[in-house]
Amino acid sequence: AQSVTQPDIHITVSEGASLELRCNYSYGATPYLFWYVQSPGQGLQLLLKYFSGDTLVQGIKGFEAEFKRSQSSFNLRKPSVHWSDAAEYFCAAYNFNKFYFGSGTKLNVKP
Amino acid sequence: DAGVTQSPTHLIKTRGQQVTLRCSPKSGHDTVSWYQQALGQGPQFIFQYYEEEERQRGNFPDRFSGHQFPNYSSELNVNALLLGDSALYLCASSISTGELFFGEGSRLTVL
Repeated sequence: AQSVTQPDIHITVSEGASLELRCNYSYGATPYLFWYVQSPGQGLQLLLKYFSGDTLVQGIKGFEAEFKRSQSSFNLRKPSVHWSDAAEYFCAAYNFNKFYFGSGTKLNVKP
Repeated sequence: DAGVTQSPTHLIKTRGQQVTLRCSPKSGHDTVSWYQQALGQGPQFIFQYYEEEERQRGNFPDRFSGHQFPNYSSELNVNALLLGDSALYLCASSISTGELFFGEGSRLTVL
């Protein structure tokens, strides 16, 4: 079955520390891949996307993600986290006109 | 340029009632998708409309129906509401297979 897995439900990091959020997908072919961020009570905002080509993609707010075909992964990274990054992050895959979302990773940022 | 707009933002219904949620897509977008996001979960795909027809559907019962109008706006209807239908309903618009742009959502509470 097609699926997107985010193994970490909650992550807490200190402000200024680096961040990596994990995402794995399960599809026969490489889907289009996305990371979205959701603040409480809000809709989802696109951080970055991967369609093809360069496996390291840059997004907004200093985020980047690396596509690794061999590991079926698309992990999100940020070198230095800011308090305003506290939110919930969703990995998503697009395949055959359907978007599949992971269950999300809630990020807490310690001062 | 207005983004995706949804109405109402909040509503409360009782079991057995019917509800209609509305969505206006981002300017220039022709495809509208609807998602249900239960508390603490990722968005679940309900269906997608393109050229006024349902193009794809997720695993939701027939109580969930929709419509797309010639101006690309869309409605989501849910009949015979159940307690489990309480969720944030997100509308997203896109151009064909492009990235999704989300609205702020309509929070439905079923009592």
